[in-house]
Amino acid sequence: QSALTQPASVSGSPGQSITISCAGTSSDIGGYDFVSWYQQHPGKAPRLMISDVSNRPSGVSNRFSASKSGNTASLTISGLQAEDEADYYCSSYTSTNTWVFGGGTKLTVL
Amino acid sequence: QVQLQESGPGLVKPSQTLSLTCTVSGASISSGDYTCTWIRQHPGNGLEWIGYISYRGSAYYNPSLGSRVAMSVDTSKNQFSLKLSSVTAADTAVYYCARRLAMSYDHWGQGTLVTVSS
Repeated sequence: QSALTQPASVSGSPGQSITISCAGTSSDIGGYDFVSWYQQHPGKAPRLMISDVSNRPSGVSNRFSASKSGNTASLTISGLQAEDEADYYCSSYTSTNTWVFGGGTKLTVL
Repeated sequence: QVQLQESGPGLVKPSQTLSLTCTVSGASISSGDYTCTWIRQHPGNGLEWIGYISYRGSAYYNPSLGSRVAMSVDTSKNQFSLKLSSVTAADTAVYYCARRLAMSYDHWGQGTLVTVSS
């Protein structure tokens, strides 16, 4: 199972919005509404930010939103804040009853 | 609140077996449809899904790891375990256990670094 494809890095200024893409195939993202997104600060464990394509768990800021179109999922962060600077990973359930992650995207808040 | 904590040796020799335990606190793993997943992160790299095991003992592993991986559960100790045999330097990584809620991972352990070296 190949990893999902994410841009290596994105950046934005405080207050701006950014979008991180996550490309997969019809065997993962395109086949199921089971895409999730995780935030990881250096030296910390990942934190669930989005489940089931677009659902925000309790405690996650509404500045985080996500969607899916075909084989590609996207995470949007609006009103960028310094604390958003982190690595972001997408993940999807797959047709082989496994999960696959993206390679991760480093978000820099300028 | 639910907390997960990985434990085990931080250094394993090549060809030996890596053994880790995930202890769950704040909830009984046999009280519901509890599934523990192991995920690893190679230094400076992304996340790799290793596999999962339910509190009933049903397990499913990443085919890329072949028969090297095995998971078990001890409900009396509220623990899950991971064993990875015939390790090489390529298995050096931070290993996480995480609770799977529906189809995503809502609680993670802090992770434990395992280095494979002689």
